[in-house]
Amino acid sequence: QKEVEQNSGPLSVPEGAIASLNCTYSDRGSQSFFWYRQYSGKSPELIMFIYSNGDKEDGRFTAQLNKASQYVSLLIRDSQPSDSATYLCAVGFYNQGGKLIFGQGTELSVKP
Amino acid sequence: DVKVTQSSRYLVKRTGEKVFLECVQDMDHENMFWYRQDPGLGLRLIYFSYDVKMKEKGDIPEGYSVSREKKERFSLILESASTNQTSMYLCASSFRGAGTGELFFGEGSRLTVL
Repeated sequence: QKEVEQNSGPLSVPEGAIASLNCTYSDRGSQSFFWYRQYSGKSPELIMFIYSNGDKEDGRFTAQLNKASQYVSLLIRDSQPSDSATYLCAVGFYNQGGKLIFGQGTELSVKP
Repeated sequence: DVKVTQSSRYLVKRTGEKVFLECVQDMDHENMFWYRQDPGLGLRLIYFSYDVKMKEKGDIPEGYSVSREKKERFSLILESASTNQTSMYLCASSFRGAGTGELFFGEGSRLTVL
């Protein structure tokens, strides 16, 4: 059973702070890693993907991957109230029909 | 933009009914997926398909079946609905070739089984 684990939260940070979201996965064959954001009542939308060890930055978002530790994280700098959502970590397997396995999600609340 | 359309946003069914959830995508994606989402459990994969008439079980296929007769359409079938199948159902699609592997989601179908 492939597993993806996240802290369910809720994680509460003040506006302007850095929010740090963490995810671990069990299958060393995992090949691609995704962070989705899901607003209440909406479907998930992709915000970051990462394939290689290290950091990947996109605006206020940074994804970090450490395959040796089987750990992927998402940092949100200068957090805004509009960042309040559930963040889903997902792990992909190219040779398995492109399926993604999701964690249970971390609820983030950014307080003004 | 990729558009994944699910036929019904809200459904209420009775125990034992047969339920069809339809999903259509307009971007010629090879891969299509059905997930269910429950509080505290995240998204769990029910079935997926990487080609027409092909299907693979996900992590929780029991009580469900699927049909993919055309590339753009992937249907989820609950042969005899039960109350524990009350959930949000999300359809998604992705491109098989070179690319990010990103899944594109529909708006979801919230099913209540009474």
